[in-house]
Amino acid sequence: AQSVTQLGSHVSVSEGALVLLRCNYSSSVPPYLFWYVQYPNQGLQLLLKYTSAATLVKGINGFEAEFKKSETSFHLTKPSAHMSDAAEYFCAVNEAGRRALTFGSGTRLQVQP
Amino acid sequence: EAGVAQSPRYKIIEKRQSVAFWCNPISGHATLYWYQQILGQGPKLLIQFQNNGVVDDSQLPKDRFSAERLKGVDSTLKIQPAKLEDSAVYLCASSPGQGNSPLHFGNGTRLTVT
Repeated sequence: AQSVTQLGSHVSVSEGALVLLRCNYSSSVPPYLFWYVQYPNQGLQLLLKYTSAATLVKGINGFEAEFKKSETSFHLTKPSAHMSDAAEYFCAVNEAGRRALTFGSGTRLQVQP
Repeated sequence: EAGVAQSPRYKIIEKRQSVAFWCNPISGHATLYWYQQILGQGPKLLIQFQNNGVVDDSQLPKDRFSAERLKGVDSTLKIQPAKLEDSAVYLCASSPGQGNSPLHFGNGTRLTVT
């Protein structure tokens, strides 16, 4: 069965600091992995996806994530946080495209001025 | 392209009442999903349609929830009767197909059951 664990329900960083949001997955077959962002009162927007090509995936707004099979991880990073990055971030897994996405519980990112 | 449209944006009802949500996916998207997002949690799949057929409804509480996608386009999700624990945001999403196609989400319907 597929599942996702996001470590840390809240992360706070200073503007300009590194953003690191953690995601570990469980999948019985090669996974497709996604990061979505949700702003208040809005739906989810795709940041980036991994589908078994390059292990380092670049997304929108300067975010990137690295797939590490040995660690079953897909952590999201951004070198320099902006105030506009404050939102909730969800990691999601899809077992080789066979099923609908399973989402993690989310990490709320706060950016301090 | 127009995004996924959902209505209403907000709904407040009393327990034991019924409620319906509507979703219009992106034109041409064959796959449609309904997710339930309880405050502080990630979205949980309720039902997945491929055209007008159900692919997965294993997590849909069928004693009170029902969904349909007539003609393989618009979809409605109904709750009858509602319970307090149904208070959540109901998100509709669509994608061109299955596999690694990203999901496109609507803004959701926030349901409050009192």
